[in-house]
Amino acid sequence: AQSVAQPEDQVNVAEGNPLTVKCTYSVSGNPYLFWYVQYPNRGLQFLLKYITGDNLVKGSYGFEAEFNKSQTSFHLKKPSALVSDSALYFCAVRDPMPMDSNYQLIWGAGTKLIIKP
Amino acid sequence: EAQVTQNPRYLITVTGKKLTVTCSQNMNHEYMSWYRQDPGLGLRQIYYSMNVEVTDKGDVPEGYKVSRKEKRNFPLILESPSPNQTSLYFCASSLVGGPADTQYFGPGTRLTVL
Repeated sequence: AQSVAQPEDQVNVAEGNPLTVKCTYSVSGNPYLFWYVQYPNRGLQFLLKYITGDNLVKGSYGFEAEFNKSQTSFHLKKPSALVSDSALYFCAVRDPMPMDSNYQLIWGAGTKLIIKP
Repeated sequence: EAQVTQNPRYLITVTGKKLTVTCSQNMNHEYMSWYRQDPGLGLRQIYYSMNVEVTDKGDVPEGYKVSRKEKRNFPLILESPSPNQTSLYFCASSLVGGPADTQYFGPGTRLTVL
């Protein structure tokens, strides 16, 4: 069955330092991978996605993610964290060949990112 | 502005009192979906719709109903809410529901069932 794991419930980073939020997945075939961010009392906002091509994907707000097929990972990264990056981050995967034709997103449990001044 | 709207944003109700959460999108998207978000569980799909009059169950459909009479609207109906339906609900839409589509989310509805 398809699944997504975000192994860290919370990540703490000092402002200005690089940040990484981890995501690993399990899906048959070539996956479609997504990152979303949820700010307090807000909906989910799309950050970036990997469909095919270059393994390094750049997205909104200076974030990027690296697709690693051999490690089945899609970690979210940013070279220099801002306090305003503090939020809940979700990784999601989509099975490219679902049995029921429902291309639904399968979600990780989320990682709370805290950036300290 | 392209957006997905939901109403109400917050709702406190009692067990058994029927309620409807509305969802509307102005992007002419064919695919719409409802999720519930619970701590430690991420988002789970309740129902989805591939187009007008085409709806189907997601992973957690029990206790919910939906309808899709118009392309832009996809209301979520709880006929007899129970406390285990206390959650944060999100409506989302995407162009056609294809594998590469980006889903766009509403602001969420926080529901408390007493």
